[in-house]
Amino acid sequence: GENVEQHPSTLSVQEGDSAVIKCTYSDSASNYFPWYKQELGKGPQLIIDIRSNVGEKKDQRIAVTLNKTAKHFSLHITETQPEDSAVYFCAAKPLGSGNQFYFGTGTSLTVIP
Amino acid sequence: EPEVTQTPSHQVTQMGQEVILRCVPISNHLYFYWYRQILGQKVEFLVSFYNNEISEKSEIFDDQFSVERPDGSNFTLKIRSTKLEDSAMYFCASSEWGGYTFGSGTRLTVV
Repeated sequence: GENVEQHPSTLSVQEGDSAVIKCTYSDSASNYFPWYKQELGKGPQLIIDIRSNVGEKKDQRIAVTLNKTAKHFSLHITETQPEDSAVYFCAAKPLGSGNQFYFGTGTSLTVIP
Repeated sequence: EPEVTQTPSHQVTQMGQEVILRCVPISNHLYFYWYRQILGQKVEFLVSFYNNEISEKSEIFDDQFSVERPDGSNFTLKIRSTKLEDSAMYFCASSEWGGYTFGSGTRLTVV
């Protein structure tokens, strides 16, 4: 089955700097890649997603890039703010897996004011 | 914004006891899921449910687990005869298609 690896496990940045979180996947049939943000005491919330027919997607300060050849995708957060501090999960959905997602292990992001 | 609601937020149970975790998915969603996250580990798929039946389940979802949608709004996960290793955060999610909406989770502690 699909295997999703995520790095780094922890990341600290100064407020205003950029943060990058990277994920790799193993199943070339994966075609949907969501990113989730999980704040303390809450469930994961979808923040951005990308489909395999697109190389990059932006939403204000958040962007996701996808390299299908290398089977990796990344989350980019620019101009980080303290409220960006959370755990971020990447996920991949292989074609034919129904609607099952495979998650990375998560990245704990701390934005230092 | 519509939410997925899970109760209780924290459940402590004795090993060998049965627990029922409850979820109210978003009303117009068609797919329902349970995932779990053992502390420090990945979010793992347990089961998906569509059209009143299980559509997929993982190896984790063995005979001690069952799911039900008893009344058209609630979606429950039952764990019979809990084990210590069942201690985890359990997340319910629902979707129309594509991205999920997750609940806030139930922290299950088996002692």
